[in-house]
Amino acid sequence: SQQGEEDPQALSIQEGENATMNCSYKTSINNLQWYRQNSGRGLVHLILIRSNEREKHSGRLRVTLDTSKKSSSLLITASRAADTASYFCAPVGGGYNKLIFGAGTRLAVHP
Amino acid sequence: NAGVMQNPRHLVRRRGQEARLRCSPMKGHSHVYWYRQLPEEGLKFMVYLQKENIIDESGMPKERFSAEFPKEGPSILRIQQVVRGDSAAYFCASSPTGEAGELFFGEGSRLTVL
Repeated sequence: SQQGEEDPQALSIQEGENATMNCSYKTSINNLQWYRQNSGRGLVHLILIRSNEREKHSGRLRVTLDTSKKSSSLLITASRAADTASYFCAPVGGGYNKLIFGAGTRLAVHP
Repeated sequence: NAGVMQNPRHLVRRRGQEARLRCSPMKGHSHVYWYRQLPEEGLKFMVYLQKENIIDESGMPKERFSAEFPKEGPSILRIQQVVRGDSAAYFCASSPTGEAGELFFGEGSRLTVL
């Protein structure tokens, strides 16, 4: 198992703007997952992208994966105040038995 | 289908006491993971259990911490002789298999050590 590194550490935008956060990892993966954590709550799974996929959509979320660069990005379009949360990526490789989380990106969306 | 249930949600202990945190996984899930989160930090993996077995405890402190997931009943994370540094949020997650799929998280148990 390996840890992803999210970037930026913090992001502050206005409602309606798009938010982009990035994840880098070190070794080959089978899939990469994104999770959201609202303040004081548990993590919620957002999306899983497999290593043979380049892009995936779910509602206002768009995730891309570039295995050659060992990176992924999460785009939230038309952000809302309710999107304010921390976002974590979790790369999953061979020999998996657990998810390892980094420090996350703290997103603040201002009305 | 109820989600992952953790209790207590909040627990206050004095130094030297014991803390027991419980986690009931989602129905049909036999894999449980425990994580610890300090304020403003990410989640740190502690232990991965399958029914009656500890699969990976590489994140568990060597002393005072133990975990179990019995055949019947919830998974228990036990912290003996708590110290102030144990104050944190402890999250449990479950999955139906040990493969690389989605984890389902509980809302956490917040331990405060006075």
